[in-house]
Amino acid sequence: GAVVSQHPSRVICKSGTSVKIECRSLDFQATTMFWYRQFPKQSLMLMATSNEGSKATYEQGVEKDKFLINHASLTLSTLTVTSAHPEDSSFYICSAPGGSSAPNYGYTFGSGTRLTVV
Amino acid sequence: AQSVTQPDIHITVSEGASLELRCNYSYGATPYLFWYVQSPGQGLQLLLKYFSGDTLVQGIKGFEAEFKRSQSSFNLRKPSVHWSDAAEYFCAVGAWNQGGKLIFGQGTELSVKP
Repeated sequence: GAVVSQHPSRVICKSGTSVKIECRSLDFQATTMFWYRQFPKQSLMLMATSNEGSKATYEQGVEKDKFLINHASLTLSTLTVTSAHPEDSSFYICSAPGGSSAPNYGYTFGSGTRLTVV
Repeated sequence: AQSVTQPDIHITVSEGASLELRCNYSYGATPYLFWYVQSPGQGLQLLLKYFSGDTLVQGIKGFEAEFKRSQSSFNLRKPSVHWSDAAEYFCAVGAWNQGGKLIFGQGTELSVKP
């Protein structure tokens, strides 16, 4: 079935450092990747949409210089949290539409990354 | 603007009892609707989806949902809840006129009493 592999699953970093989160589509081509952020006990909020070969589209209020998104290939999208601060601590999840076992308009989610900034 | 509302933040049901989780949406066109389940610290698992056709949709784990256009609702149901169903449930609408992103409801946390 369609799988999006997200790594790391958990990361702790020091304030001021950068962290990269990767999402790979394993058996399908993901021309689009959605990046969500989820605070404890809250819903998923879309941060940005990455498209292979073009600049990412950020939602209102999301700092594009802080959350760098790169969609280098049809199977890899990355989110880099730059100069992380404790308020960036959250659960980050990626999602790609489609997939070999998903009919049109299905989505496949990564397993999420728990980021803790200390 | 498109939106999804899940009126119940937390629901507790007894094991074996029936369950209904409510979801209302606001969307200008024909919606694509989804229900996802999330266990603590985990990603999302698709329970079921509605695109068109039969308004009663069957999903995994014994869940079903009914699309009611007149009420702008897509409520999730299960006739008999199991303790393993305790989790967070999210309703979402696919905003195809906004690049295909999913708009999520606030989520409903389900607790199951023995």
